[in-house]
Amino acid sequence: QSVLTQPPSVSAAPGQKVSIPCSGSSSNIGSKPVSWYQQLPGTAPQLLIYDNNQRPSGIPDRFSGSKSGTSATLGITGLQTGDEADYYCATWDIYLNNLVFGGGTKLTVL
Amino acid sequence: EVQLVESGGGLVQPGGSLRLSCAASGFTFSSEEMNWVRQAPGKGLEWVAHISTSGNTIYYADSVKGRFTISRDNAKNSLYLQMNSLRAEDTAIYYCAKEITVIAGAPMDHWGQGTLVTVS
Repeated sequence: QSVLTQPPSVSAAPGQKVSIPCSGSSSNIGSKPVSWYQQLPGTAPQLLIYDNNQRPSGIPDRFSGSKSGTSATLGITGLQTGDEADYYCATWDIYLNNLVFGGGTKLTVL
Repeated sequence: EVQLVESGGGLVQPGGSLRLSCAASGFTFSSEEMNWVRQAPGKGLEWVAHISTSGNTIYYADSVKGRFTISRDNAKNSLYLQMNSLRAEDTAIYYCAKEITVIAGAPMDHWGQGTLVTVS
């Protein structure tokens, strides 16, 4: 059981947009910025979004992040088949003193 | 170019020990906080341990507390994970990951390729 809650899967057609929600609590998302990671099959995770809505260099602006209260959302527009991957939200929990991840969401581009 | 290269994984019997290493290059290792994150086969990401730049502040997941020890040698640009009393449920790919230390929330902007630990 993950501290952060994500839907196990989402799907959308190429060119469309999708949102992946991440729900937490006051001790994690409510207190610290959220990061998002993309994990393509057979590869290490890659940082997509940090500080709720910032993109590292090289990450296209099709990827966006937002946060409100104890929830965060990853948005992806102009979906491509190459976006098929597992997506994870994460942040620091100030009560647990742990880094906590969501359970991951598998994105299928139909 | 930032590089993180893990080593030390392998097959070990339950109750055994392993020491993982992560060789860092391409950045000022002593200025960045580091983490170990693992992923069991077919499962999601699980954070394992965090260490501050000096090594003075360390945190562990409850699942490994008392069995695993994270450490670093800034002179050698290396991160370590000593794993004792290994269990079948510790079977996973272990990644070392560098934090963007100045940003809250522990975002990790570089990851190694991972090293597989199999406890059987």
